[in-house]
Amino acid sequence: EIVLTQSPATLSLSPGERATLSCGASQSVSSSYLAWYQQKPGLAPRLLIYDASSRATGIPDRFSGSGSGTDFTLTISRLEPEDFAVYYCQQYGSSPVTFGGGTKVEIK
Amino acid sequence: EVQLVQSGAEVKKPGESLKISCKGSGYSFTSYWIGWVRQMPGKGLEWMGIIYPGDSDTRYSPSFQGQVTISADKSISTAYLQWSSLKASDTAMYYCARHNTLYSSSWYEIDYWGQGTLVTVSS
Repeated sequence: EIVLTQSPATLSLSPGERATLSCGASQSVSSSYLAWYQQKPGLAPRLLIYDASSRATGIPDRFSGSGSGTDFTLTISRLEPEDFAVYYCQQYGSSPVTFGGGTKVEIK
Repeated sequence: EVQLVQSGAEVKKPGESLKISCKGSGYSFTSYWIGWVRQMPGKGLEWMGIIYPGDSDTRYSPSFQGQVTISADKSISTAYLQWSSLKASDTAMYYCARHNTLYSSSWYEIDYWGQGTLVTVSS
């Protein structure tokens, strides 16, 4: 199975700053079938990005995804207060589907 | 509006059995794969397995194969996750999740999530 490693584990930033989250795969992710999710405490995750770079419906354009093969990035151009949360990457190009361990974006 | 509504929180003892549910509405239930995701307290997301309600084709993550059973009743648009003998280590939040589906043989990203069912196993 494909192992996804997210870095850093925690990112301490201030509102208005740029956040760059990384997701590395143990082998190439087929067809860039990689998604990013945001999870806030006590809530279910929410889809942000799919197919590595396509924004889900209703997601602000400050969120962007890039990458292919084994290296993927989620960028939040300017952090808003509601963006402080945990972010997970997920690959669905091969079975089983796997998630990364998560990156917590916290207020500095 | 697509909705996945899960059954309520459960408190069980080790060794007991349990079946939790996830009812889909607002879309063609038989045309989308439904997966289950575990989140242990304070931890990350783990994909457990998936079912296609149209024909009950079911796949499991190797980590969960033999530990749980995934099923669906398409007549009532409901998917299930069940245990025959719970352990304390099964204590977690369990989410059902709809995978985007273009063909019955393939699933893609998770586009909708249930609200979660908290399962607590304690003697």
